[in-house]
Amino acid sequence: KAGVTQTPRYLIKTRGQQVTLSCSPISGHRSVSWYQQTPGQGLQFLFEYFSETQRNKGNFPGRFSGRQFSNSRSEMNVSTLELGDSALYLCASRAGGKDSPLHFGNGTRLTVT
Amino acid sequence: GESVGLHLPTLSVQEGDNSIINCAYSNSASDYFIWYKQESGKGPQFIIDIRSNMDKRQGQRVTVLLNKTVKHLSLQIAATQPGDSAVYFCAPSMIKAAGNKLTFGGGTRVLVKP
Repeated sequence: KAGVTQTPRYLIKTRGQQVTLSCSPISGHRSVSWYQQTPGQGLQFLFEYFSETQRNKGNFPGRFSGRQFSNSRSEMNVSTLELGDSALYLCASRAGGKDSPLHFGNGTRLTVT
Repeated sequence: GESVGLHLPTLSVQEGDNSIINCAYSNSASDYFIWYKQESGKGPQFIIDIRSNMDKRQGQRVTVLLNKTVKHLSLQIAATQPGDSAVYFCAPSMIKAAGNKLTFGGGTRVLVKP
């Protein structure tokens, strides 16, 4: 079974631009979560989708948004990019209930200049 | 909210020795715990999990110990190998809480010396 796939692997954007990141979960996984990883803040939860509905949201500004499609694929969007948005963005999917682990992709490395 | 040891200590281990990685958590309601390994340039990789109704669980070369009384868990790696060099994270969570949110600590870097 293929793992969680994230595209693109690397992105360089300029302040003020917007960006869309894509995630394909493991086949059969309906829950998709997004995390931001930075050296200073570590891994921080962005949001979670299940059956095309946002089920939980972390403490990030409204510039960060996401969605999930009927095939469970997910995208996240960041508008009006700031330098501080430079990070590794990780997508994770889960097969079953909350007593099953999240499986992560290798992330999209976003650099904002 | 939940807090998990937010620092990145480094554990230097001789190849072949056992490694012990510690994790303290603050929320006594946490009832499900996951350990992840993250290698450079990759996402976190699931290693092992444990539920709060257990105090020990073993996998291949790894053992997780949970002490709910002092809110502490540890990951033991037997016969550490160069491929074990990575950052290790623990992630406590609550099964009955809404959503999938995991709170990660800063992690522990393990360096295996040949």
